[in-house]
Amino acid sequence: DADVTQTPRNRITKTGKRIMLECSQTKGHDRMYWYRQDPGLGLRLIYYSFDVKDINKGEISDGYSVSRQAQAKFSLSLESAIPNQTALYFCATSDFGLEGNEQFFGPGTRLTVL
Amino acid sequence: DAKTTQPPSMDCAEGRAANLPCNHSTISGNEYVYWYRQIHSQGPQYIIHGLKNNETNEMASLIITEDRKSSTLILPHATLRDTAVYYCIVRVGSTGTASKLTFGTGTRLQVTL
Repeated sequence: DADVTQTPRNRITKTGKRIMLECSQTKGHDRMYWYRQDPGLGLRLIYYSFDVKDINKGEISDGYSVSRQAQAKFSLSLESAIPNQTALYFCATSDFGLEGNEQFFGPGTRLTVL
Repeated sequence: DAKTTQPPSMDCAEGRAANLPCNHSTISGNEYVYWYRQIHSQGPQYIIHGLKNNETNEMASLIITEDRKSSTLILPHATLRDTAVYYCIVRVGSTGTASKLTFGTGTRLQVTL
């Protein structure tokens, strides 16, 4: 089984709808992240969480919210979806390490907002 | 975090070594060099990282210049499955709030027969 899973894998929705993307991990990592990727561009960080009680905004958090329900679960919500939120969304996890931490990514959720 | 510069694309023949350069002239002494790759819209995959010394693992080698202003990722025997976008990322270690990665646009490596 995959260590980092994302649901749904694909979603088409309409402008103004509320959408939740879910991420679960079995790696036992404390740190979790949400990124979005637009065509031809690199990943941009939306939100990150270093533990269940810690939530931080990334570089493009406007229009998004998150919930860290447990160590293993980190959800991303679009309260009122708009077309420019059409993108590929990735969840990632990492452990804590002084030298540097490898991030493990999920398979992604392709979201289309019409 | 230091900014990185990578060529937008490169080609490599299968079986040959792929050498992917990265410039990071503003790197600080406590910043590491990380490499990730992304195969066709899959989640990015960690490859290797280093601070000062050259590093090697089962996937690749990382050569960092003595002044640390540039580095090269080497895939010793590229295969078609290595076709991907390769990201060079420079950042401090994972203490405190410095754990997040900043992805640029990377280098698109095309391995051909």
